[in-house]
Amino acid sequence: DAGVTQSPTHLIKTRGQQVTLRCSPKSGHDTVSWYQQALGQGPQFIFQYYEEEERQRGNFPDRFSGHQFPNYSSELNVNALLLGDSALYLCASSLDGAYNSPLHFGNGTRLTVT
Amino acid sequence: QKEVEQDPGPLSVPEGAIVSLNCTYSNSAFQYFMWYRQYSRKGPELLMYTYSSGNKEDGRFTAQVDKSSKYISLFIRDSQPSDSATYLCATGMDSSYKLIFGSGTRLLVRP
Repeated sequence: DAGVTQSPTHLIKTRGQQVTLRCSPKSGHDTVSWYQQALGQGPQFIFQYYEEEERQRGNFPDRFSGHQFPNYSSELNVNALLLGDSALYLCASSLDGAYNSPLHFGNGTRLTVT
Repeated sequence: QKEVEQDPGPLSVPEGAIVSLNCTYSNSAFQYFMWYRQYSRKGPELLMYTYSSGNKEDGRFTAQVDKSSKYISLFIRDSQPSDSATYLCATGMDSSYKLIFGSGTRLLVRP
């Protein structure tokens, strides 16, 4: 039973560039959430996708956008990269998207912005 | 003030010790509480999930929630070197899909 898979595992980008990160949810899950984890910090909620729509968004600027596909996989896009965007980006999936559904995380994409 | 506060550690204990990890939170609307374990270069792994107050036990792990004092705890019995990781507490409420995490406590279990 495949867990949450994310690609790529590592990425190095230059300030001002754009990046796309990809996520496949755990088998049977239909909801995808994205979190940003800075070094030494806990994950911060970016947004959640359910039924191909952004259902809730955290305190992140519009440079952060996403998409969910009919097969429930998801992409996170970040435009106009800043040095402060360097972090581990985590995808988490859950079932049914209920408020209290436990999240299952992937191993993340480590983004470095130089 | 952060919504969830967690001592960053590191916490160093000998193998076999009982470990106590704690978080405090500020919003009384939080209703469900989770503990995640995160190994270096890995994503968080769900350990314990509790709804509202009370205790929950799973093997060597016990989670406690005291909503009156806004205090959540994770106890690890007979700690093993393989328990060495960062432990994240997280909380949420029944009006939001967002989980709010503490900053994590780094645990080192010495052989």
